[in-house]
Amino acid sequence: NAGVTQTPKFQVLKTGQSMTLQCAQDMNHNSMYWYRQDPGMGLRLIYYSASEGTTDKGEVPNGYNVSRLNKREFSLRLESAAPSQTSVYFCASRPGQGSRQPQHFGDGTRLSIL
Amino acid sequence: AQTVTQSQPEMSVQEAETVTLSCTYDTSESDYYLFWYKQPPSRQMILVIRQEAYKQQNATENRFSVNFQKAAKSFSLKISDSQLGDAAMYFCAYRSAILYYNNDMRFGAGTRLTVKP
Repeated sequence: NAGVTQTPKFQVLKTGQSMTLQCAQDMNHNSMYWYRQDPGMGLRLIYYSASEGTTDKGEVPNGYNVSRLNKREFSLRLESAAPSQTSVYFCASRPGQGSRQPQHFGDGTRLSIL
Repeated sequence: AQTVTQSQPEMSVQEAETVTLSCTYDTSESDYYLFWYKQPPSRQMILVIRQEAYKQQNATENRFSVNFQKAAKSFSLKISDSQLGDAAMYFCAYRSAILYYNNDMRFGAGTRLTVKP
């Protein structure tokens, strides 16, 4: 009954360091998403993967890369972390782009960049 | 692009009373979904209720109900018999039902609900 699992839950980085946030879902969903949540703002889409083998930019993609490793896993990479990327990151999934089902969210990763 | 506006950054309610959280959205589409998510201090995003735009009947889930006014582009959440566990940040969200290649969700900025004992 895991749903969407994100690792790690917390991370502190120094400016310029690189980091990969991991996300895995066990619901056989086709579509996966990465969001960031900043104070006073709702979640904003960074990247998404409509299906295995495809990825596309969302609203705020600069400074990030993603990999859809297989149907279960969708990772988010910060190549050179910047303080502006301090945020809470959420991974989500749902059956597919045409599905009427809502997204299922992971528990989030709190990332601080000093 | 669609936008979602929650005009109440903070709300408070007395335990056992009723509170209504406001949400408006902007879209030119006719078929879409609307959601309310609850985010407690644990950070989880918990789906509270959803509404499909083609359905005229307002959705209800136990103590939670919505007032969906399609023409006014309004989607408010009513919490009846408020409980201490309802204290959280509440996000309103919109998603197109049209099969775009990018029909992601658009979120409002959130309303922080405090429940007073």
